[in-house]
Amino acid sequence: QQQVKQSPQSLIVQKGGISIINCAYENTAFDYFPWYQQFPGKGPALLIAIRPDVSEKKEGRFTISFNKSAKQFSLHIMDSQPGDSATYFCAAGNQGGKLIFGQGTELSVKP
Amino acid sequence: EAEVAQSPRYKITEKSQAVAFWCDPISGHATLYWYRQILGQGPELLVQFQDESVVDDSQLPKDRFSAERLKGVDSTLKIQPAELGDSAMYLCASSLAPSTDTQYFGPGTRLTVL
Repeated sequence: QQQVKQSPQSLIVQKGGISIINCAYENTAFDYFPWYQQFPGKGPALLIAIRPDVSEKKEGRFTISFNKSAKQFSLHIMDSQPGDSATYFCAAGNQGGKLIFGQGTELSVKP
Repeated sequence: EAEVAQSPRYKITEKSQAVAFWCDPISGHATLYWYRQILGQGPELLVQFQDESVVDDSQLPKDRFSAERLKGVDSTLKIQPAELGDSAMYLCASSLAPSTDTQYFGPGTRLTVL
């Protein structure tokens, strides 16, 4: 019940295309859903986050779509760039602060 | 921009030896987390501190792992004795409060146990 399932495991997108990564959770106590970006040899960095009272949040080229009834959320990267090539992790958390991370998606944007 | 500091960045040790990792959170951050990230997987929480107190260590293998944050600022994670399966990236993160505040991660310590 504490798991967060993320797909796909890897993704190859052409420059300018849309990258879509999906996550699903089971525990309805989760009320905070961040996405982290991680480059090789670096720690994860917060990209964008959403709370369940909204269905969508957009920051620049990055959008989170949230479906509370389906317990699913996704990250959309518009106009994907080679610099977006990294590993992306979804996570779920609650007021206690503990984050449960997905398994990660390795994104490669081809020029 | 303030950052979470970790040292060492890399550590190679032999099994049965003791290792220690250090973390200095962003100034003013009361909550500190230690995560373990196995290659190809997401980070997994080992221990969470609120100031100097442990809030959650349910996933910490307490027979060999220990963590402390004596003055509520920097923290040390120790493994004794190290096992081959401990090879991973050990990440430290901090946040202002133990809620849904942003967790800021350090660069991690890459541990290799031979």
